[in-house]
Amino acid sequence: QKEVEQNSGPLSVPEGAIASLNCTYSDRGSQSFFWYRQYSGKSPELIMFIYSNGDKEDGRFTAQLNKASQYVSLLIRDSQPSDSATYLCAVTPYGAGSYQLTFGKGTKLSVIP
Amino acid sequence: GAGVSQTPSNKVTEKGKYVELRCDPISGHTALYWYRQSLGQGPEFLIYFQGTGAADDSGLPNDRFFAVRPEGSVSTLKIQRTERGDSAVYLCASSPTLAGGGNEQFFGPGTRLTVL
Repeated sequence: QKEVEQNSGPLSVPEGAIASLNCTYSDRGSQSFFWYRQYSGKSPELIMFIYSNGDKEDGRFTAQLNKASQYVSLLIRDSQPSDSATYLCAVTPYGAGSYQLTFGKGTKLSVIP
Repeated sequence: GAGVSQTPSNKVTEKGKYVELRCDPISGHTALYWYRQSLGQGPEFLIYFQGTGAADDSGLPNDRFFAVRPEGSVSTLKIQRTERGDSAVYLCASSPTLAGGGNEQFFGPGTRLTVL
């Protein structure tokens, strides 16, 4: 059973701080890693994806991947109240089924003004 | 162009009834996916289409669930003899290609199905 684990939170950070969201996965053969943001009552919105070990930056967001530790994280710099949402980590396997996203349950982030 | 659209946005039905949920993917996207999301959970994969054919339906929970995509664009998810446990948000996603590591999937707004 391929699993993606996230702390459900809520994670509370003050406005302007760095929010750090973490995700571990069980399938060592996982190939691609995605972070989605989901506002309450809305559908998931793709924020970032990462395939290679290391860091990938996009604006205030940085995704970090460590395949040896089977760990992926999302850092949000200068957090804003509008960042308050549930953040879903998703992975796809290598090869057969590489289109199939396996999601964690999500971490609820609350940015306090 | 426009994003993924889904209709209806909400569907309330009675146990045992038949329902159809529709998805219109982003124009030009060849890959289409259906997921189901229950409260407090992440989306769970149901079925994947590449073009007109269902390339992988391994996530469909049982034979009451069926999906089609006859012309390679719009897809319909069909649920027969609905049960209360089918209540969830049904999400459709599309992506431009399956090749390599791309596969960024863009989700529609979902259909909230409630089975009474």
